[in-house]
Amino acid sequence: DSGVTQTPKHLITATGQRVTLRCSPRSGDLSVYWYQQSLDQGLQFLIQYYNGEERAKGNILERFSAQQFPDLHSELNLSSLELGDSALYFCASSATATNEKLFFGSGTQLSVL
Amino acid sequence: GESVGLHLPTLSVQEGDNSIINCAYSNSASDYFIWYKQESGKGPQFIIDIRSNMDKRQGQRVTVLLNKTVKHLSLQIAATQPGDSAVYFCAERAAGNKLTFGGGTRVLVKP
Repeated sequence: DSGVTQTPKHLITATGQRVTLRCSPRSGDLSVYWYQQSLDQGLQFLIQYYNGEERAKGNILERFSAQQFPDLHSELNLSSLELGDSALYFCASSATATNEKLFFGSGTQLSVL
Repeated sequence: GESVGLHLPTLSVQEGDNSIINCAYSNSASDYFIWYKQESGKGPQFIIDIRSNMDKRQGQRVTVLLNKTVKHLSLQIAATQPGDSAVYFCAERAAGNKLTFGGGTRVLVKP
């Protein structure tokens, strides 16, 4: 158990809908990262928050947004969903902002039908 | 763009043998590397990391070797066990402190 908690584990929705994925980092970790994993793209970095502030952005679509709350949990919002958004979404956390020793949650499997 | 070993080869290993998983990276400015293990249905699990000022680091049954001259990283697993069957990813940290993951290597341990 990595100590990173993600909910829900599975999500099935329809095109055009909006969903929210939730992540609780390991106790004491200030950074939260979101990654998307699909069969053809591998693990793709989406966005990083550190202590409530956006730290870095990767290949995140404009339809996607995230935030980190004062209690350090984070949410990833995916809107106007398309079939191609179906993927595993992972949250990871680390103690610092410098992308070292990321610990990953077990992911949310999103299926857009 | 950045690329780290964008293939998913499969390595079949006899139980008890040593495994060597290779990873090529492209950015000579990368200063930190990390290996993850991902079992089916689970998230990536941290195995070991190494900074660019080192060429070798050992953990429990694992060793990471870094050759900056040829931009090559390897993970050695000693006495491979059935529980080692998984996909292994390397990742590099380059400009902007972002981690870039490779496509992974699948390891199958034969009894």
